[in-house]
Amino acid sequence: DQQVKQNSPSLSVQEGRISILNCDYTNSMFDYFLWYKKYPAEGPTFLISISSIKDKNEDGRFTVFLNKSAKHLSLHIVPSQPGDSAVYFCAGVGMNRDDKIIFGKGTRLHILP
Amino acid sequence: KAGVTQTPRYLIKTRGQQVTLSCSPISGHRSVSWYQQTPGQGLQFLFEYFSETQRNKGNFPGRFSGRQFSNSRSEMNVSTLELGDSALYLCASSLADNSPLHFGNGTRLTVT
Repeated sequence: DQQVKQNSPSLSVQEGRISILNCDYTNSMFDYFLWYKKYPAEGPTFLISISSIKDKNEDGRFTVFLNKSAKHLSLHIVPSQPGDSAVYFCAGVGMNRDDKIIFGKGTRLHILP
Repeated sequence: KAGVTQTPRYLIKTRGQQVTLSCSPISGHRSVSWYQQTPGQGLQFLFEYFSETQRNKGNFPGRFSGRQFSNSRSEMNVSTLELGDSALYLCASSLADNSPLHFGNGTRLTVT
């Protein structure tokens, strides 16, 4: 059972435009959500997070939106830059101390020149 | 501050062999977790250790095991390797519960 789903395996966006990466989840017990970015041959790096009590969190060019009723979150990158080309993983974490982070399968973002 | 260090970076083994991967967390981080990444499967959780105790375990067979030492360094072991074990194995550490994970660059294991 996939608790975190990233239904788009890949996405291509023109440089300078907005990139929108989507993520759906089924576990209503998730307490907060995170986005990680991964370049080839490197480990994922933390990008931005959002608590389940918020609906938006912004950090520079990155904004994450959470719609709890739809169990949906999205990551907006604006403007998109060539260095944003990477695989993006969405993840959810439960509120209990022993809960593990559940990752989606990732979306590969290509920024086109 | 040094990041999470994983050794070796690359490893080639044959079926039936066993392998040990090593992870040194960020200084001060007591939680270490391991993930397997394969094409199309994303990051799948293997196990998590905290203060030398396994706190959580994913849905992997018993051939996959791990441990954590008193200095928080962790190892994972895979016995009787199968072709399907070929993957990137990532280790991550975190400072506290509900803190973001900090990942190492992974060990790429190829089983032939």
